[in-house]
Amino acid sequence: QVQLVQSGAEVKKPGASVMVSCKASGYTLTTYGVSWVRQAPGQGLEWMGWISGYNGDTKYAQKFQGRVTMTTDTSTGTTYMHLRSVRPDDTAVYYCGREFCDSARCYGVDYGGQGTLVTVSS
Amino acid sequence: QSVLTQPPSVSATSGREVTISCSGTSSSIENNHVAWYQKKPGTGPKLLIYESDKRPSEIPDRFSGSKSGTSATLGITGLQTGDEADYYCGTWDSSLSAYVFGTGTKVTVL
Repeated sequence: QVQLVQSGAEVKKPGASVMVSCKASGYTLTTYGVSWVRQAPGQGLEWMGWISGYNGDTKYAQKFQGRVTMTTDTSTGTTYMHLRSVRPDDTAVYYCGREFCDSARCYGVDYGGQGTLVTVSS
Repeated sequence: QSVLTQPPSVSATSGREVTISCSGTSSSIENNHVAWYQKKPGTGPKLLIYESDKRPSEIPDRFSGSKSGTSATLGITGLQTGDEADYYCGTWDSSLSAYVFGTGTKVTVL
């Protein structure tokens, strides 16, 4: 069965970096990529970006370009989302999810992780 | 800020039907597939509809999706108390080169 298991909650001070991991299993990892979606308290869903499980290509939402890096360790099937210079408004639950994207577009997450709460506070 | 517009809330009595609209543009909904997600507190988004009108095998046929032009619709029939949740549409936006979600709709079962 498809499973994505995320790392635990994080508390960071403003200006720091945070890294959240997502270990995928139960499917052919090279066929799909992994996307990251976050939800701030009381807010809606926000897509941050995607990394290919095939060749490591990335697509980032413009809002996060320059501040986020997504990487994959193919030997373990673990994807990482690294967010730099965090601010209090980055406080959110971060979800990873399996998503298929081609060169033109992404098609939406079909299986997701359990979520990781990242709190940014001084 | 979302580029897909949904009504903030819809409600109906148990057993009745609700529909949720999702309004986009020619660069989003009109030329890309739409997905619908159910989001309950403390859990991740659950895929209900993909490719605008297809259901994953585990999703009951009480849930349906459709798309026409720049809008999409999620329908829920035989409303149950367990359907109380936030619902989001999502699609690729070709002008933003990003996946975008709707503003979200809270479904209440009266």
